[in-house]
Amino acid sequence: QITLKESGPTLVRPTQTLTLTCTFSGFSLNTSGVSVGWIRQPPGKALEWLALTYWDDDQRYSPSQKSRLTITKDTSRNQVVLTMTNMDPVDTATYYCAHSDYPTVTTWDFWGQGTLVTVSS
Amino acid sequence: DIVMTQTPLSSPVTLGQPASISCRSSQSLVHSDGNTYLSWLQQRPGQPPRLLIYKISNRFSGVPDRFSGSGAGTDFTLKISRVEAEDVGVYYCMQATHFPWTFGQGTKVEIK
Repeated sequence: QITLKESGPTLVRPTQTLTLTCTFSGFSLNTSGVSVGWIRQPPGKALEWLALTYWDDDQRYSPSQKSRLTITKDTSRNQVVLTMTNMDPVDTATYYCAHSDYPTVTTWDFWGQGTLVTVSS
Repeated sequence: DIVMTQTPLSSPVTLGQPASISCRSSQSLVHSDGNTYLSWLQQRPGQPPRLLIYKISNRFSGVPDRFSGSGAGTDFTLKISRVEAEDVGVYYCMQATHFPWTFGQGTKVEIK
């Protein structure tokens, strides 16, 4: 079965760079149509899509965050890494990674449990 | 960006009664491939989101048949035929037709 798990720091200082890793199993990022993405959710607020990487190395970013984000994949290790620069307290959120499959579902069908990142000095 | 507007934002429901959530997009969600990538997700308290419905009306694996989706173009609806206690949570519509993929604000379903 498909599983994903996020890992990374729980506390980040303002202006620092956040690096999150999504480790997955049950599928391959070499398979046509598959993508892995990142979504975040500030406490008590709605979901916000950040970035995704496709099986063919196509990468897409939220325009509002694009200048701060980099998404990379390591298919041999079944991992996807998100880096976000210049962190601010407003970036405090639970960060999720999720799986999608075009055109079968083309939405986030499997999610990790999420990791809460707090930005504070 | 495509704006997804959900109504209502809060829905108190009696157990066993139906519930309905509306989602309207600021542009048509019909993709150039002919599909409409509108989905519904449920987020129970303290849990990650869970996919309920994809491509307007397709129930995801393991989703009870009391959940149904309908709509076309820019107007979509999620219906719960008979609300159960485990349905409490926040429901989001989401579009994946246009980048950036966007979510609605969420609708909180609670028991009266």
